[in-house]
Amino acid sequence: GIQVEQSPPDLILQEGANSTLRCNFSDSVNNLQWFHQNPWGQLINLFYIPSGTKQNGRLSATTVATERYSLLYISSSQTTDSGVYFCAVEQGYKLSFGAGTTVTVRA
Amino acid sequence: DAGVIQSPRHEVTEMGQEVTLRCKPISGHNSLFWYRQTMMRGLELLIYFNNNVPIDDSGMPEDRFSAKMPNASFSTLKIQPSEPRDSAVYFCASSSDRTFFGQGTRLTVV
Repeated sequence: GIQVEQSPPDLILQEGANSTLRCNFSDSVNNLQWFHQNPWGQLINLFYIPSGTKQNGRLSATTVATERYSLLYISSSQTTDSGVYFCAVEQGYKLSFGAGTTVTVRA
Repeated sequence: DAGVIQSPRHEVTEMGQEVTLRCKPISGHNSLFWYRQTMMRGLELLIYFNNNVPIDDSGMPEDRFSAKMPNASFSTLKIQPSEPRDSAVYFCASSSDRTFFGQGTRLTVV
């Protein structure tokens, strides 16, 4: 099956810092989504981004489908950004998840 | 829309008991998924419904697990009999293009 690799596995940030999370995938996909799992376990859809760049507040994402990667940018991080960020790629109906990047933002 | 609604939020049951998890998807979404999340295995797809029809149940661990979707606004995941290794967080998700997850049911089988 398709391989989805996320890096780094863990990230510790000081509040206000910027960061970039990366997602590499091993095969062509229909679609890519980014999710945030907060410390209470809720999975929140951040982006639906099969290609191109999208922005949502302090977050933005870029997918380069031809090169099989996506980037998630967090700017001016806040403690509420803590949690696990998952990249998920879609082939047909199936979403395959990466192992996630655990982000800890310290005040 | 209230999003994907799951119940119960927490369930503690004894080994051997039947457990039923419930899900109300977002209105208008034609795809529904049940996932299980554990530390060891991450997020695993258990079953996928499209227009209320089960399309892919290859992720259902064994015959003790069953899922139904009697109509577009309701789905259940049943475990009978439950075992301690079934302890996990079970998520329901629905999708038209973007995928939205419910808050999950944390199941503990003792």
